[in-house]
Amino acid sequence: QSALTQPRSVSGSPGQSVTISCTGTSSDVGGYNYVSWYQQHPGKAPKLMIYDVSKRPSGVPDRFSGSKSGNTASLTISGLQAEDEADYYCCSYAGSWVFGGGTKLTVL
Amino acid sequence: QVQLQESGPGLVKPSQTLSLTCTVSGGSISSGDYYWSWIRQPPGKGLEWIGYIYYSGSTYYNPSLKSRVTISVDTSKNQFSLKLSSVTAADTAVYYCARELGGDYFDYWGQGTLVTVSS
Repeated sequence: QSALTQPRSVSGSPGQSVTISCTGTSSDVGGYNYVSWYQQHPGKAPKLMIYDVSKRPSGVPDRFSGSKSGNTASLTISGLQAEDEADYYCCSYAGSWVFGGGTKLTVL
Repeated sequence: QVQLQESGPGLVKPSQTLSLTCTVSGGSISSGDYYWSWIRQPPGKGLEWIGYIYYSGSTYYNPSLKSRVTISVDTSKNQFSLKLSSVTAADTAVYYCARELGGDYFDYWGQGTLVTVSS
């Protein structure tokens, strides 16, 4: 299966909101509610931020939220903070697992 | 707190077999709720799922790598392992092991280990 499509980069100022999109097909994002999002800081392992499209694991700030419409999932980060600067990857179940290409978030 | 730790050679010659082991601590690999995955990330690139194993030994591999991948489990040591055969420079990556809640998400990851394929 092909990788999910994410913008290569997004940016925002502290306190603002940004949204990262993740576009797939009816065979992955559109077909299952098993979309998850991972945050990765340089040299570190990915960290689970959102699962089942919109659920947050314990310990993840409620500034992070997820949604899905059709074949596109979205991660929204509100009240941007400097520590949010990282790479973000979406992931969908598709019979197996497929990841997005990653989005670099820059906090200006 | 579950922890995963990858181990294995950091350098593999082209055409040889890459072998890595993931040791799980703080929880049992035999827990029926979880699958145990390998995921890789070439330098400067995105994540690619390689495959998973269940404690019973059942496996599922990424179709694009299936012909070269073998994942095995040793429940007595709380470990699972990856073998990738006939490697080329394109297999150079950071390899992560991760715990997967069956069909849902990856909640715990190892720190990753860089494997370079070079003569």
